[in-house]
Amino acid sequence: GQNIDQPTEMTATEGAIVQINCTYQTSGFNGLFWYQQHAGEAPTFLSYNVLDGLEEKGRFSSFLSRSKGYSYLLLKELQMKDSASYLCAVRNAGNMLTFGGGTRLMVKP
Amino acid sequence: EAQVTQNPRYLITVTGKKLTVTCSQNMNHEYMSWYRQDPGLGLRQIYYSMNVEVTDKGDVPEGYKVSRKEKRNFPLILESPSPNQTSLYFCASSLTQGYSGANVLTFGAGSRLTVL
Repeated sequence: GQNIDQPTEMTATEGAIVQINCTYQTSGFNGLFWYQQHAGEAPTFLSYNVLDGLEEKGRFSSFLSRSKGYSYLLLKELQMKDSASYLCAVRNAGNMLTFGGGTRLMVKP
Repeated sequence: EAQVTQNPRYLITVTGKKLTVTCSQNMNHEYMSWYRQDPGLGLRQIYYSMNVEVTDKGDVPEGYKVSRKEKRNFPLILESPSPNQTSLYFCASSLTQGYSGANVLTFGAGSRLTVL
């Protein structure tokens, strides 16, 4: 089976940097996704990693280490609108996608 | 506008009364899927479909049915709803199921179902 762990909640200050970690155990690996979900809304795609290293997209970056079963999402210059849940999802060798429980990020002034 | 449309968005019903949540996408996607989201449990897959007339069980299929008679539609059927099916439901679609960064899931707005 698959197991994906991420912290339940995090708090950070507007303008700061926050790192949300995700560790996973999976039967084979075919990519890791990060989604953002505002309360009561649909998840929206943020980033995709399939090779080791850092993918940067504006204020958001995502890092992957396949050997460690580890990823993080880095959010810079935090804004109040970044308050949301961040979902880590892993695709296994059979192309099945499994989501973690999500990390609820609260950005405070 | 490319989108996944779910209806109804909100529904309160009673135990045993059959209901259907519709899902439609206008992106010509082959792959469609239903998830339920519960506090602390994240998104769990109920059923998925890789193409027309091809459906398969996800992680939590008990108590649900689906059909895929047309490419654009993937309704979720609760034949005899029970209170433990009270949840937030999301339909999602992607171009295919295959492993490619292009296969990003697009989600519908969600359907909040309460079973009394």
